[in-house]
Amino acid sequence: QSVLTQPPSVSGAPGQRVTISCTGSSSNIGAGYDVHWYQQLPRTAPKLLIYGNTNRPSGVPDRFSGSKSGTSASLAITGLQAEDEADYYCQSYDSSLSSWVFGGGTKLTVL
Amino acid sequence: EVQLVESGGGLVQSGGSLRLSCAASGFTFSSYEMNWVRQAPGKGLEWFSYISSSGSTMYYADSVKGRFTISRDNAKKSLYLQMNSLRADDTAVYYCARVAVGAIYIDYWGQGTPVTVSS
Repeated sequence: QSVLTQPPSVSGAPGQRVTISCTGSSSNIGAGYDVHWYQQLPRTAPKLLIYGNTNRPSGVPDRFSGSKSGTSASLAITGLQAEDEADYYCQSYDSSLSSWVFGGGTKLTVL
Repeated sequence: EVQLVESGGGLVQSGGSLRLSCAASGFTFSSYEMNWVRQAPGKGLEWFSYISSSGSTMYYADSVKGRFTISRDNAKKSLYLQMNSLRADDTAVYYCARVAVGAIYIDYWGQGTPVTVSS
């Protein structure tokens, strides 16, 4: 059971918009800790996708965006492309656990 | 170009030990905090160990506390993980990961090294 809760899977057709939620609690996201997102393409290492809730590293398309509100955060992907098919993980810090925490991951399928 | 290359993974019997290494290049290794993160087969990511840039401060998840030891050699630009008393549930791909400066997120990941613990 992950400290941060994500839906196991989402799907969308090419060109559509999808969102992935990340729900935490008052000891992590709700405590003001930033949320970060990673993309893991099949059989590869994770890669930083969004940092500090809303920021994209250089090279990440602006089709990817992040937001945070209260004890939750979301990753939005617009203009879905086949190459976006991957697992997506949110990550934050939990003050009660004194630990970095990840969401359980969401598998995005492009139909 | 930032590169993190793990080595040392393999097959080990339950109760055994293994030492992982991570060779860093393309950045000033001594200036960065580092993490180890693992991923069990078909499962999600699990953070389990952190070390400060100087090596003076280490943190561990409860799942590995007392069994695993993180260390670094800044002169050799290398990160290490000593794993003792290995159990079947330690079977995973182990990633070396660089912590972004002044932040609590990972900006670069290694390619990972697989560890299989047989019972």
